[in-house]
Order: sequence, then structure tokens, then C-alpha cells
Amino acid sequence: AQSVTQLDSHVSVSEGTPVLLRCNYSSSYSPSLFWYVQHPNKGLQLLLKYTSAATLVKGINGFEAEFKKSETSFHLTKPSAHMSDAAEYFCVVSDSWGSNYQLIWGAGTKLIIKP
Amino acid sequence: DTGVSQDPRHKITKRGQNVTFRCDPISEHNRLYWYRQTLGQGPEFLTYFQNEAQLEKSRLLSDRFSAERPKGSFSTLEIQRTEQGDSAMYLCASSLAGGSTDTQYFGPGTRLTVL
Repeated sequence: AQSVTQLDSHVSVSEGTPVLLRCNYSSSYSPSLFWYVQHPNKGLQLLLKYTSAATLVKGINGFEAEFKKSETSFHLTKPSAHMSDAAEYFCVVSDSWGSNYQLIWGAGTKLIIKP
Repeated sequence: DTGVSQDPRHKITKRGQNVTFRCDPISEHNRLYWYRQTLGQGPEFLTYFQNEAQLEKSRLLSDRFSAERPKGSFSTLEIQRTEQGDSAMYLCASSLAGGSTDTQYFGPGTRLTVL
């Protein structure tokens, strides 16, 4: 069975400092992995996705994530946090063997940016 | 750019009433998904359609919930005899099937409050 664990429910960083949001997954197949962001009172927006191509994936707004199969991790990073990055971030796994429709969601990490 | 739209954005109802939500997917997308999200949690899969066919329903989905996508375009989600536990954000997503993975794009959601 697939599952996703986001290791931190809250992460607080100062503006201009690096961001690290941690995600571990388990999957029986070659997974597709996603990061979505949800700003308050707004819809979920896709940040980036991994689909068995390059292991380092670049997304929007300066975010990137690295797929590490040996560690079953897909951590999200950004070199320098901006106030507008404050939001909830979800790590998501989907099996790419089947119809790939069912997404398994982590519980989310709330990113807090201190001025 | 017309993304996924949902109507209404907010619904307040009394326990026992029926409610219906609408989702309009991205026009060329043939897959449509419904999710439910409660505070502090990631989205929970409810059901999904490929064109007009409902291909999967969550085992967690009560018989009071029904969804349709009559012409393979917009979809409706109806909840009969609402209960306070139905209070949540109801999210719709759409995707274009094909390739190694299909990416789901989300609407802004309908927030349901059952009094």
C-alpha cells in the first residue's frame, strides 16, 4: 500500500533563509510524486511533479525537489524564502503503474515565514 | 485561461437538507475527481469520472453522496440529508488522461457548513 509522511506539521523560517519541507513515501511501484501548495482561501496549486525522469525536479516560484529512491524521500526546498511562500504544502504520491488516478496525500506542512 | 471552476464557493445549510455542488473542469480534460478536505488534513478522495463514466468511488463514501457527469463535461455532487460531519471543503479536480502520468488541476473548492 502506498503512503506519504510529511515529517513536520509546521515549519517556521525567516524571510531570505532556505526552506526545507520533508516528505517520505512508500510505494509498491514506481511512484509519481507531486508537491501541491494551498494558500489561505485559495485552491490547490501544483508546484512540481516527478515522473521517473530527472531526479531533481524544478517547479514554480523557485521551489525544487529531489527524488531519492534509496531514502524513499522527496523533500521540497527553496534557497530563499519569501513572505508570499507562507502556505500549506502537501506531498502526494500516485502509482504510475495503474491508471494513475488516485492520489495519496500527506497531512500537510504549514510553512510560516517570519519577517 | 479557464481553470477548474466550482459553484457555489460557500454553502451553509441546516442538518437534514440536501445540497448540490457543481464543478466545471478544464475544457479538454476527460477525467474529473471529487475530494473532501477537512481542517488540518490533506484532501480525501471521494470519486472519479473518465468522460461520463464513474469509475471509482471511495469505500468511505456514504450512500447519501452521489455524483454525476452526464455529458462528460461538468459534474455535480449531491449530498442528501446532510449531517454536521459533512461540513468540509469539497474540491474538484480535472486531468487529461494519457502519457506516463496525468496531472490533476484543482478548483477553488466549495466550503460546506452544516448547522
